[in-house]
This record gives sequence, C-alpha cells and structure tokens, in this order.
Amino acid sequence: GAGVSQSPSNKVTEKGKDVELRCDPISGHTALYWYRQSLGQGLEFLIYFQGNSAPDKSGLPSDRFSAERTGGSVSTLTIQRTQQEDSAVYLCASSLVSRGIGELFFGEGSRLTVL
Amino acid sequence: TQLLEQSPQFLSIQEGENLTVYCNSSSVFSSLQWYRQEPGEGPVLLVTIVTGGEVKKLKRLTFQFGDARKDSSLHITAAQPGDTGLYLCAGLYNFNKFYFGSGTKLNVKP
Repeated sequence: GAGVSQSPSNKVTEKGKDVELRCDPISGHTALYWYRQSLGQGLEFLIYFQGNSAPDKSGLPSDRFSAERTGGSVSTLTIQRTQQEDSAVYLCASSLVSRGIGELFFGEGSRLTVL
Repeated sequence: TQLLEQSPQFLSIQEGENLTVYCNSSSVFSSLQWYRQEPGEGPVLLVTIVTGGEVKKLKRLTFQFGDARKDSSLHITAAQPGDTGLYLCAGLYNFNKFYFGSGTKLNVKP
C-alpha cells in the first residue's frame, strides 16, 4: 500500500482478554517500530524490528506483551490478559534507514480501550 | 527514563508571538528529526537534520541541531492557529533506532 496501515483502528475489550494489533508497513521498508501513546503524551518505544528479527525489545512493558514480524512485512503486537493501564493508542511506523538517515512513516494508530 | 528531554511540555500563546521548543539529551544522535502530530493521526515528519550545527528553515519554522549532536531546537516565528499541535523531536540512535521526546503541546489562540 501507499502508507502504513494499522488495524483495528479502534478496539474495546474487557479486562483479562487478549488482543492482537496488526501493522502493514510500507513495502520495502526494513525497519518497523511499535510505539505506545497515552492521551496527548509523547511516544513510548515498545519494540523495533529489522527485517524479521527484533534487536530491541526493551520497551515492552511486561511479558504480557509480545510482537512478531513475518516475511519482513506485516507485524502483530499481542497483548495478553489486558489490563486497564494498557489503554492507549498503539502506533506503528516503518522506515528505510540508509547511512544514518531515515524518516519514520506512521500509521494512524490502533486505539485500545480496556474496560 | 527518557533519552530525549523535551521542553516545555505545554505552550499556549497568542497568534503572532514567537516560541522556542527545546530537545536535549546526553546521548549523541546520528540525525535529529522533528514531527508534528494532529489529534487522531500519526506524527508527520517536518524536518531531518544530519549535520551538527546545521540550521534548517521551513517557512516560519527554524530548526537547529547542536554542534555536539545532542540537542536541538525548534523556533516558530509569528505563530498562527494552524501551528497548533503536538511537536515531537526524535533522534536516530546508533544509526538504527529512533527515540522520541515527550512532546510539546502547542496551542495558538487567534
């Protein structure tokens, strides 16, 4: 596609349920990032993929969070046993970094509400 | 802890005023970027600065990257209501990972 696509755009779930958030990056972009953003706040880094591998998972808040990327393309962020504090907008971005320069292209985000 | 500290966190000014947003770190970045985000959308890139000491201008916006490549500033001249939004600085660390500042929420009143 022309841009980064995320789904669902909105997700309301009950506490304790599992959720999956999907990101379809720009074709050919090797780097993919997941960030979390609380209302009006900055971006909290979650995980970074280069190809299918995740050299940096340091931002994942707990072992309830996991992510994978297949075929160097689509990525899925899974949150198990959701808690109310997981409510936020989850943003995905992709990038083609070349020689230390790259632009992040963001999707519109998946808004997660845990009741 | 934030790798990039951004200030101020909130800024509410009248149309026509000038403002400066700061982005500071103790780490060195290979490039520094500024993004602007509107409600319900993802951040959109405004500028990428690569060279320490470099200044870039985009109409009424002036961006500067510090000589030591650890800090940056965004200056807006004669702010307009259309400038309202969340401004985010982002540093590319170790040539492969982007870190974001905490953001500056700007409100320009007509």
